[in-house]
Amino acid sequence: RKEVEQDPGPFNVPEGATVAFNCTYSNSASQSFFWYRQDCRKEPKLLMSVYSSGNEDGRFTAQLNRASQYISLLIRDSKLSDSATYLCVVNAGYQKVTFGIGTKLQVIP
Amino acid sequence: GAVVSQHPSWVICKSGTSVKIECRSLDFQATTMFWYRQFPKQSLMLMATSNEGSKATYEQGVEKDKFLINHASLTLSTLTVTSAHPEDSSFYICSARGLAGERNEQFFGPGTRLTVL
Repeated sequence: RKEVEQDPGPFNVPEGATVAFNCTYSNSASQSFFWYRQDCRKEPKLLMSVYSSGNEDGRFTAQLNRASQYISLLIRDSKLSDSATYLCVVNAGYQKVTFGIGTKLQVIP
Repeated sequence: GAVVSQHPSWVICKSGTSVKIECRSLDFQATTMFWYRQFPKQSLMLMATSNEGSKATYEQGVEKDKFLINHASLTLSTLTVTSAHPEDSSFYICSARGLAGERNEQFFGPGTRLTVL
């Protein structure tokens, strides 16, 4: 089993739709979790951290389920500019960071 | 967020040559820098982790004699791909974490696209 698993997609959704991605992780000792966004041929950029209590930033909501070992990202009212690859990142220790393969989102006009 | 630069942004070289990539944290001190490699349609793969002033820790399967990492200061780490071969062609990205990095966040450089002919 991979340390971090994501559905690579692509997820093709119309503008204004709500879309959700999940990411599962295998190491129960994982300590912190993040969602990064990566545009084509660019470096990843931090979208949001994922807190145990869940967190929301505008149209984006991230949640953590430790019992089932997954994190989720919900995007409401999708915009064309949301089209990108969303990377799940799991940190199992100060120097142990694992990236998921990423989920590609394409928002269609 | 904090700014990390990489140089060069792209490089084309002949097989057998060595290529050096620089990673700089511009507005913070990076106690730890990470080097990743990303092949097309694949995830970022961590190659090595370096702490300022000490030897880098390489991930399994990454040859330390081929990918030389130097983290001589709190703002600069270099990756040298020695005797590059076409299979080394990839997108190399560094990231840095330091005093400005909260909750283990990493700040990424823009990446270096290496093409070995």
